[in-house]
Amino acid sequence: IVLTQSPATLSLSPGERATLSCGASQSVTNSYLAWYQQKPGLAPRLLIYDASSRATGIPDRFSGSGSGTDFTLTISRLEPEDFAVYYCQQYGSLPLTFGGGTKVEIK
Amino acid sequence: DVQLLESGGGLVQPGGSLRLSCGASGFTFSYYAMSWVRQAPGKGLEWVSSLSGGGGSAWYADSVKGRFTISRDNSRNTVYLQMNSLRAEDTAVYHCAKGSIDDYGEFEWWGQGMLVTVSS
Repeated sequence: IVLTQSPATLSLSPGERATLSCGASQSVTNSYLAWYQQKPGLAPRLLIYDASSRATGIPDRFSGSGSGTDFTLTISRLEPEDFAVYYCQQYGSLPLTFGGGTKVEIK
Repeated sequence: DVQLLESGGGLVQPGGSLRLSCGASGFTFSYYAMSWVRQAPGKGLEWVSSLSGGGGSAWYADSVKGRFTISRDNSRNTVYLQMNSLRAEDTAVYHCAKGSIDDYGEFEWWGQGMLVTVSS
């Protein structure tokens, strides 16, 4: 399954709402889709699994939605620490695949 | 706290071999699948391989099938990635990652990663 993330770059200011999209080339089984945040030089961090469940310790300003082939990660109000690259990943079928990433940068 | 620490990376010539290790702590190691995910310099994430908690089921990306072997020693809380016939395109930071169940799935915790450079 090929995952296509859009936009490639999102330029926003702190306090604004961020909406990131992840489109799948075919339906993702059981909405087995995850979102990760990665900052430069650091390991990725799991934010969302099963399309809409927040991982342990993740603030509630992060939310995930979607099913089938269209998924969305929303950050309700951007904090300074949220500027990073975000990846989606499907685990409904092999091979496991990631999207190409969306960079959220400070405007 | 969950901790994952990779070791064994470095510079290797094309066609050479390298074995990565990942030591784990902070959870019951044998209960969870473990995986390797790589990231080429300046690029995105690519899944490499996953292994079930007991070691009985392994899964590989097509790009490494037949060249890489994942294994684990549950008595040592360690997962390995044996990499043979290395190519320039295998150059990447290799992260080990813990699953949330005893099967392939999402990656709940990640190690910092280990750089593997394949070059003559």
